[in-house]
Amino acid sequence: QKEVEQNSGPLSVPEGAIASLNCTYSDRGSQSFFWYRQYSGKSPELIMSIYSNGDKEDGRFTAQLNKASQYVSLLIRDSQPSDSATYLCAVPNNAGNMLTFGGGTRLMVKP
Amino acid sequence: DAGVTQSPTHLIKTRGQHVTLRCSPISGHKSVSWYQQVLGQGPQFIFQYYEKEERGRGNFPDRFSARQFPNYSSELNVNALLLGDSALYLCASSLVIGTGDEKLFFGSGTQLSVL
Repeated sequence: QKEVEQNSGPLSVPEGAIASLNCTYSDRGSQSFFWYRQYSGKSPELIMSIYSNGDKEDGRFTAQLNKASQYVSLLIRDSQPSDSATYLCAVPNNAGNMLTFGGGTRLMVKP
Repeated sequence: DAGVTQSPTHLIKTRGQHVTLRCSPISGHKSVSWYQQVLGQGPQFIFQYYEKEERGRGNFPDRFSARQFPNYSSELNVNALLLGDSALYLCASSLVIGTGDEKLFFGSGTQLSVL
């Protein structure tokens, strides 16, 4: 059974700061990693995917992957109050027919 | 294009009853997955269907069942409801499966409350 761990938070950052969200996973064979954002009362929305070691940037978001240490992180630059949400890390199984989600980290960006 | 649609949005049932939740995937998507999300936790995988066949089943009791229809829509059925079944039930569709790169698109969910 794959495990995906996240700090539940809340992580509180001031507006304009960098928010850093971390996720660790147990299966060394994992190849793909996804970050979903979930606003309160809404469904998860895919914001980033990463497959290779290193950084992947998309606008204000940067995903970082370190397979040797089995962690993946999400950086949000110039955080805005609208970024306040729960961020879920997800890892697919080898068959590619399910995602294992972490418990999510709640981010609060204060004006 | 319409996204993933789920119905109903909210449902209140009593213990022991049965419930059916419905989902229509994004047009062109042949895979539908069901997840259960308890408040404060991440979604947990229940089922995946692709081309009307079950391709994956999570660690849920046999009270949970699902099916996919020729038009790729899907139903999730839960029998003999328990209080612990109270959760947000999410349906997700994807274009492909088995690549490890499946991008799931979630519907808005059905909030089930069991009293």
